[in-house]
Amino acid sequence: EVQLVESGGGLVKPGGSLRLSCAASGFTFSYTWMSWVRQAPGKGLQWVGRIKSKADGGTIDYAAPVKGRFTISRDDSKNTLYLQMNSLQTEDTAVYYCTTVGSMTPYSWGQGTLVAVSS
Amino acid sequence: QSALTQPPSASGSPGQSVTISCTGTSSDVGGYNYVSWYQHHPGKAPKLMIYEVSKRPSGVPDRFSGSKSGNTASLTVSGLQAEDEANYYCSSYAGSNNLGVFGGGTKLTVL
Repeated sequence: EVQLVESGGGLVKPGGSLRLSCAASGFTFSYTWMSWVRQAPGKGLQWVGRIKSKADGGTIDYAAPVKGRFTISRDDSKNTLYLQMNSLQTEDTAVYYCTTVGSMTPYSWGQGTLVAVSS
Repeated sequence: QSALTQPPSASGSPGQSVTISCTGTSSDVGGYNYVSWYQHHPGKAPKLMIYEVSKRPSGVPDRFSGSKSGNTASLTVSGLQAEDEANYYCSSYAGSNNLGVFGGGTKLTVL
């Protein structure tokens, strides 16, 4: 069974940084494309970014609102996905979900971790 | 990339069928057979219900079906049950230089 467990969320001041982690199990992590998707309060789902498997080049794509501030990485030896978030803004307040990517879409989802950016 | 257009709400009585639409463009919905649908109960993880327009992941009831015509995709829920009440989001691939795009979501109410 696929399990994705996010951690690292919390309250941070504008301009601050936070690193989210996603521990994966139940599938071959190194072969799997992964992504982060977020949902701001009262809003819909929004892509944050996607990282391909190393076998597929390891390419990372980011959504425009986070490009240059957020960094996605993966440690295949630890079956863990990361999201480094810098220069956080109030509009980054959201629940952040870790997902597998299959058939060009977020497939399996974690429970999410809340990031609140406020002074 | 603009969000896909969904109606904000839909409703039906138990046992009835309801269809939710998702309208995009020829650059996303109309250009690829990579439309997916998610069910999201507040406070829980979104769940993939349909992928590649009409395929169901293992464990998803066959009461859920998907289709596409031109730039508009649709999700039909037949035999509505109380537990189907949730928010539903569509998503589409939008080409190799894009992450893809989500719809704004539809709140389905079972009357």
